[in-house]
Amino acid sequence: EVQLVESGGGLVKPGGSLRLSCAASGFGFSGTWMSWVRQAPGKGLEWVGRMKSKASGGTIDCGAPVKGRFTMSRDDEKNTLYLQMNSLKTEDTAVYYCVAQTRAGTFDFWGQGALVTVSS
Amino acid sequence: DIQMTQSPSSLSASVGDRVTITCQASQDINKNLNWYQQKAGKAPELLIYDTSNLKTGVPSRFSGSGSGTVFTFTVSSLQPEDIATYYCQHYDNLPSYTFGQGTTLEIK
Repeated sequence: EVQLVESGGGLVKPGGSLRLSCAASGFGFSGTWMSWVRQAPGKGLEWVGRMKSKASGGTIDCGAPVKGRFTMSRDDEKNTLYLQMNSLKTEDTAVYYCVAQTRAGTFDFWGQGALVTVSS
Repeated sequence: DIQMTQSPSSLSASVGDRVTITCQASQDINKNLNWYQQKAGKAPELLIYDTSNLKTGVPSRFSGSGSGTVFTFTVSSLQPEDIATYYCQHYDNLPSYTFGQGTTLEIK
């Protein structure tokens, strides 16, 4: 069974940093492209960023709202994906979902989400 | 950037009704269109990929169609457990992943 478990969420002040982790199990993590998708309270879904598998080059791409502030990394030995969030803004407040992609265009398996609140 | 416009934003229907949601792209996106279901307090789930392919295990009352700029998602016979918000999503090779605004489906 595919499992994705996010951790590291919490309250942070504007301008601060936070790192989310996503522990994966039940599938071939090292060969899977992974993404983060977020959802602000009461709002829709927004893609944050994607990291390809190392076999596909390990390329990291992020959406315009977070480019230059957020980055991703992965530890294939630990089956864990990370999202490093710097220079946080109040508009970054959201539930952040870790997502496994079996195809380049689809978000196939989702974690339960981690809430990040940016507030003074 | 390609914009995805989803309609209606909310919909109320009776059990057994046929329900249709539309997603319109601002330009031709071929068949790169997926549909997700999100129940209250839960993570989204992929239902349909590449316009019309049902993910394994998804009930056959769900279907998708379309091409170019207009796509539809249909529930052939609404069930109480289908109460959720549904999102369309497009992907291109930039890469860019764009979601529609969502349609909240309620039971009348």
